[in-house]
Amino acid sequence: KQEVTQIPAALSVPEGENLVLNCSFTDSAIYNLQWFRQDPGKGLTSLLLIQSSQREQTSGRLNASLDKSSGRSTLYIAASQPGDSATYLCAGSGGGSNYKLTFGKGTLLTVNP
Amino acid sequence: DGGITQSPKYLFRKEGQNVTLSCEQNLNHDAMYWYRQDPGQGLRLIYYSQIVNDFQKGDIAEGYSVSREKKESFPLTVTSAQKNPTAFYLCASTGTGDNYGYTFGSGTRLTVV
Repeated sequence: KQEVTQIPAALSVPEGENLVLNCSFTDSAIYNLQWFRQDPGKGLTSLLLIQSSQREQTSGRLNASLDKSSGRSTLYIAASQPGDSATYLCAGSGGGSNYKLTFGKGTLLTVNP
Repeated sequence: DGGITQSPKYLFRKEGQNVTLSCEQNLNHDAMYWYRQDPGQGLRLIYYSQIVNDFQKGDIAEGYSVSREKKESFPLTVTSAQKNPTAFYLCASTGTGDNYGYTFGSGTRLTVV
């Protein structure tokens, strides 16, 4: 059974700092990988999708990469802002298809002004 | 704009009652999912449906039931057999094929009173 670990569980940084969030899978046979953001009491907002044929995706200040050989993904946030404060979740699908996404428990990020 | 609508936002259930959570999407996605989120735990898959009139159990299906009579709709019923139903419930959808990310609704918070 696929299990996903996110490190660190919580992170507090001053505004403007660059930071990295980590995600690892027990089964490295990941098909698609997606990073989400969740604000308190809200649903999930998709940030980046790394499709099966890709290794990296970028959107604005965000960059996500996936090393399929090790089953590890990182989310890089450049020049962090207080508005980036949220829980960040990574999730991967396996079994050769895009069905049944398995989630990590998330990293709670606080960016201090 | 296309998206997923979950209702109600808050729901209160008395002991022994069945309640139904609504999920409607206008994204023309074939696959729909129900996840449960508890504090300190990752999202756990309850049920999913890849096509109309067909659905499969996820990891924690006991005490829940679903139907998929229309492509746009995937309601979840929390039955009295679910012993610990208090949680945040999230509905999601994806398109057919491997290049689709998951889109989530804004969630329903269910509380047993």
